[in-house]
Amino acid sequence: GAGVSQSPRYKVAKRGQDVALRCDPISGHVSLFWYQQALGQGPEFLTYFQNEAQLDKSGLPSDRFFAERPEGSVSTLKIQRTQQEDSAVYLCAGLGDGGYTFGSGTRLTVV
Amino acid sequence: EDQVTQSPEALRLQEGESSSLNCSYTVSGLRGLFWYRQDPGKGPEFLFTLYSAGEEKEKERLKATLTKKESFLHITAPKPEDSATYLCAVQANDYKLSFGAGTTVTVRA
Repeated sequence: GAGVSQSPRYKVAKRGQDVALRCDPISGHVSLFWYQQALGQGPEFLTYFQNEAQLDKSGLPSDRFFAERPEGSVSTLKIQRTQQEDSAVYLCAGLGDGGYTFGSGTRLTVV
Repeated sequence: EDQVTQSPEALRLQEGESSSLNCSYTVSGLRGLFWYRQDPGKGPEFLFTLYSAGEEKEKERLKATLTKKESFLHITAPKPEDSATYLCAVQANDYKLSFGAGTTVTVRA
């Protein structure tokens, strides 16, 4: 597609619920990143894929966070047993010749 | 650990009133310094990449400059449509971007 597409745009989860956030990157973008952006802060790195290989997951805050990209295109970020501190915007980005391209993000609110 | 500090946190300008945003950074081995614009409810939108001290880039009313310790984003004669949060990020010897907290610019007509 023309840009990075993320869904859903908004998600409200009850504390303890599992959620799955989807990222559809630009076709041909080998590298894919997930970032977490808390309110009033800059994005913070979560994890990085090159094709289907997850090369770096050092930014994932806990073992409740899991990301996958099984066929090297669409990626899913899963958060198990959500907590209030997980409330944030989750951004997906691809890296191409023109640099990093970000999606509009998924705003997760845990109540 | 890479550190990026942006100032001020917020900036309110009258239309036509030029100003500058600051991004101070500490990084081992700078590969690039990036400026992004972020509108409410949107992801960061790329503006500039600077690679070495002394480099300058311009786009419409925006001009970015880079020294060994900081970068400035100059906004000349801003218009209300320049209102946004401006993010600075550095890329060190790997692929990650380390972002500052941003400067929220409001331009009043």
